Amino acid sequence: DTEVTQTPKHLVMGMTNKKSLKCEQHMGHRAMYWYKQKAKKPPELMFVYSYEKLSINESVPSRFSPECPNSSLLNLHLHALQPEDSALYLCASSQDRGLRRATDTQYFGPGTRLTVL
Amino acid sequence: SQQGEEDPQALSIQEGENATMNCSYKTSINNLQWYRQNSGRGLVHLILIRSNEREKHSGRLRVTLDTSKKSSSLLITASRAADTASYFCATGGIQGAQKLVFGQGTRLTINP
Repeated sequence: DTEVTQTPKHLVMGMTNKKSLKCEQHMGHRAMYWYKQKAKKPPELMFVYSYEKLSINESVPSRFSPECPNSSLLNLHLHALQPEDSALYLCASSQDRGLRRATDTQYFGPGTRLTVL
Repeated sequence: SQQGEEDPQALSIQEGENATMNCSYKTSINNLQWYRQNSGRGLVHLILIRSNEREKHSGRLRVTLDTSKKSSSLLITASRAADTASYFCATGGIQGAQKLVFGQGTRLTINP
């Protein structure tokens, strides 16, 4: 199974709502990522989890809260978002061969299209 | 920043022609990867070339890497309508092994 799944596919939320994005992989990968992508732009890294621990936070606002309940699951909790947070949110996973090794191939999910009203 | 820059930003060719996209980056790398993204969907990994490699092939794809010029190119031969997508290069740095930095992307359109 080389698939990364994400739910929901689409999400519309108000600025006062609390919602969560979910990501799952069953490839035995130990690194998982959240990216944000605006239209016609490249993906921007938000968070990296390695062995279920947060290893990289790219100075993301606290209204985005990641969680890694186990090695297969990754959540992104959303609260009090702004309209400018509307974007495609991509989850990815990769083997984690440790720091100072070549960056591994990342496998991406289809994304969640988020609209904040 | 080691963010890559790609050119052209957009490319439109006829089916059957070859498509070439270029990527430049700023700092030393361990490897360079190319990804494809169909409109509004996730990225698909195409090919990875390591810093000690100069050329790599995969099916209709040919990637070159010139570390002295800090540049790479992706050639798609005998293009098909299904190749219509955005193509991103991504560099893996020497430090921060988990962090890929993506270029701005090339939007490729194959006209039937």
